[in-house]
Amino acid sequence: DSGVTQTPKHLITATGQRVTLRCSPRSGDLSVYWYQQSLDQGLQFLIQYYNGEERAKGNILERFSAQQFPDLHSELNLSSLELGDSALYFCASSVKGTSKGYGYTFGSGTRLTVV
Amino acid sequence: GQNIDQPTEMTATEGAIVQINCTYQTSGFNGLFWYQQHAGEAPTFLSYNVLDGLEEKGRFSSFLSRSKGYSYLLLKELQMKDSASYLCAVREEAGKSTFGDGTTLTVKP
Repeated sequence: DSGVTQTPKHLITATGQRVTLRCSPRSGDLSVYWYQQSLDQGLQFLIQYYNGEERAKGNILERFSAQQFPDLHSELNLSSLELGDSALYFCASSVKGTSKGYGYTFGSGTRLTVV
Repeated sequence: GQNIDQPTEMTATEGAIVQINCTYQTSGFNGLFWYQQHAGEAPTFLSYNVLDGLEEKGRFSSFLSRSKGYSYLLLKELQMKDSASYLCAVREEAGKSTFGDGTTLTVKP
């Protein structure tokens, strides 16, 4: 157990639907990062939050949004789902946004399948 | 933006040494990380370099040359359990890291 909790582990949904992925960071970590990993592709950065505020944004689609709540858990909302959105979605946390030497601690991921 | 290149696949023999290279072109640099990812699992942090030189951690070592935009991960005394994907990642600003596509290492008996 890495200390980063992601739910659900698996999600199967139909095209056009909306889903919410949840992440609780490791205790004490203020930064949360969301990454998408499709089959045979690397980790694509979506968005970062630090202590409740958006800190950095990657190539996140307009259909996707996220937020970090006062208790530091984060949610990634995916709407108008398409087949191509099927992927593993990882959440990671780190001690501080610019902390040197600290790698990310990843959650076990949510496997999203859009049918 | 960042461009990170690493070989797609490598094969090595149990007990041997393997070196996985990573080259990067960046607009900013705040450190380079290596992660290990077994199929279907989450990546786990292996090493971090921010200054030039070699960092050793047990069977794993990582090297960085900032002037050349180059790093390598060295795995010694390979074990079957080392078969995994190895991800090179460069930290940009504000903690955000960009990942390479990963090198799939297969260790054979």
